[in-house]
Amino acid sequence: QVQLQESGPGLVKPSETLSLTCSVSGDSISNQWWSWVRQPPGKGLEWIGYIYYSGSTNYSPSLKSRVIMSVDTSKNQFSLKLNSVVAADTAVYYCARWYCDSHMCYHLDVWGKGTTVTVSS
Amino acid sequence: QIVVTQEPSFSVSPGGTVTLTCGLSSGSVSSGHYPNWYQQTPGQAPRTLIYNTNTRSSGVPGRFSGSILGSKAALTITGAQADDESDYYCMLYIGSGIRVFGGGTKVTVL
Repeated sequence: QVQLQESGPGLVKPSETLSLTCSVSGDSISNQWWSWVRQPPGKGLEWIGYIYYSGSTNYSPSLKSRVIMSVDTSKNQFSLKLNSVVAADTAVYYCARWYCDSHMCYHLDVWGKGTTVTVSS
Repeated sequence: QIVVTQEPSFSVSPGGTVTLTCGLSSGSVSSGHYPNWYQQTPGQAPRTLIYNTNTRSSGVPGRFSGSILGSKAALTITGAQADDESDYYCMLYIGSGIRVFGGGTKVTVL
């Protein structure tokens, strides 16, 4: 059974960098696409971006200037860094796996439980 | 900036039918946007109901169906049950590798 687990600080100060890691168990991170999604309190889902195991990335245009995703295949993990955070970055952050075939990635089929990150001094 | 639109809320009677829609601020939704539909209950991660417009995800009951209706993607719940009371989100592929979620629809069953 595939499981994803987010980890990282629950509190980040404004202007600093939010750093989260997603640990994958029950599956190899290789040959697959992975994403981060966030959800501010009481609001909807926001797609942050995705990363392939090789390191190829694609980010939401609204966050592109502040986001870096990376993969560590040796640890079967992938990570999110969001720079220069503000209060509006306070959210539950989810990591998730894409279900893909040779043609397309269709949907996020496995999700972590989510981790709450609060931006506050 | 492209915005994906959804109705903020819907109410349906038990056993009734409701159709949620997912549109684009500019243009029509087609199968080429690979619409997904996710269901989320409070405190839980989302789960996929429908992907690639009309393919039900594994384990999803047959009362959920997806389609393109006019210029929008649609999720229909036929024979709504109490535990269908949730938030529903669509996600569209808008090109160049970019995905966008809609704002979500809160469905109440009463």
